Amino acid sequence: AQSVTQLDSQVPVFEEAPVELRCNYSSSVSVYLFWYVQYPNQGLQLLLKYLSGSTLVKGINGFEAEFNKSQTSFHLRKPSVHISDTAEYFCAVTGTGNQFYFGTGTSLTVIP
Amino acid sequence: KAGVTQTPRYLIKTRGQQVTLSCSPISGHRSVSWYQQTPGQGLQFLFEYFSETQRNKGNFPGRFSGRQFSNSRSEMNVSTLELGDSALYLCASRDMSSYNEQFFGPGTRLTVL
Repeated sequence: AQSVTQLDSQVPVFEEAPVELRCNYSSSVSVYLFWYVQYPNQGLQLLLKYLSGSTLVKGINGFEAEFNKSQTSFHLRKPSVHISDTAEYFCAVTGTGNQFYFGTGTSLTVIP
Repeated sequence: KAGVTQTPRYLIKTRGQQVTLSCSPISGHRSVSWYQQTPGQGLQFLFEYFSETQRNKGNFPGRFSGRQFSNSRSEMNVSTLELGDSALYLCASRDMSSYNEQFFGPGTRLTVL
């Protein structure tokens, strides 16, 4: 079985400061990993994904994530956040053809 | 390509009623998944349909059902609504040949009074 743990439910950070949103997964099979962002009253939008290859993945809006197989982690980072990054962020895992498993989400609030 | 569309966007029902939500996937996508999102529970997987067949199912009571049509459009039905069914219902589609990436619709906000 697969599962995802997002360790922080809420993360406040000042504008232009760096941020890291943590995600750990459990899986006994090869995985594909994703980060999605949800703005208020909207659906989820893909930020980035890890399928294979380089463990450092770059996504939209200046976000990046690093896949660490030994620590079963896929943490999301941004070196300098903006007010517009305030949103809910979800980490997800799936295997080939299988269903998606989502974390409970991390609410990122950027403070001016 | 047009994105995933969901109708209606907002819905208000009373306890005991039933409701049907609709989802049109991205053209060419044959897999449609449904999720329930609530503030306390996050995204809860309801079920996934592929080529008109349910291939995965989450842990929800039988009041929640779905189906998929030959054009890949999907409907979700909830019977005998309860207050706890108030949530944002999200639909996602994917092309099974493209590394499983899911594309989400804007959701249907269901309020049960």
